[in-house]
Amino acid sequence: DGGITQSPKYLFRKEGQNVTLSCEQNLNHDAMYWYRQDPGQGLRLIYYSQIVNDFQKGDIAEGYSVSREKKESFPLTVTSAQKNPTAFYLCASSIGRGPHNEQFFGPGTRLTVL
Amino acid sequence: DAKTTQPNSMESNEEEPVHLPCNHSTISGTDYIHWYRQLPSQGPEYVIHGLTSNVNNRMASLAIAEDRKSSTLILHRATLRDAAVYYCILRNTGTASKLTFGTGTRLQVTL
Repeated sequence: DGGITQSPKYLFRKEGQNVTLSCEQNLNHDAMYWYRQDPGQGLRLIYYSQIVNDFQKGDIAEGYSVSREKKESFPLTVTSAQKNPTAFYLCASSIGRGPHNEQFFGPGTRLTVL
Repeated sequence: DAKTTQPNSMESNEEEPVHLPCNHSTISGTDYIHWYRQLPSQGPEYVIHGLTSNVNNRMASLAIAEDRKSSTLILHRATLRDAAVYYCILRNTGTASKLTFGTGTRLQVTL
């Protein structure tokens, strides 16, 4: 089935460690996104990519990094510079970036930094 | 970005219709109205979107006011599986790279 996969579902890390969250899609979508969600809040955009080898910062990019070497993959690294990394991380994709295109979301990764 | 205002929570009985309102008084002519929903501990799911005319799909209907300053998501027969947080979001060409989520409306469905 076509869709977006994120792994792992739960992730625990010690403070000061970098951690990489995986996001893969087999929908042949050009655009991919990373969002962060804190308890009781809506989603906030971290990074997005419209095509391979290109990406832009979102609203809260500090302390995060991404790469887009393949169309189907958009991994997110949470670095030690991110001051409050514990959150629910969601990856999404869309066929294009037009305002009428829907975004498809993965199941999310819940990161806890101890 | 144009903002949306939604009630924090609503309740419905199962098998009854649900009308979820959204106010967007500063909407521009090029803003699309999108609705997403998020079930507990899951990623958001697209529900429906429209620009000026009312829209129907298998999940819901979207009624857009004539002046476009408000809209209503209609679930025709609520089920327990419809219990979720529903987000009303405006998107135009300039902001199309992201979905700006507010806190949404938490819908509770009871037997």
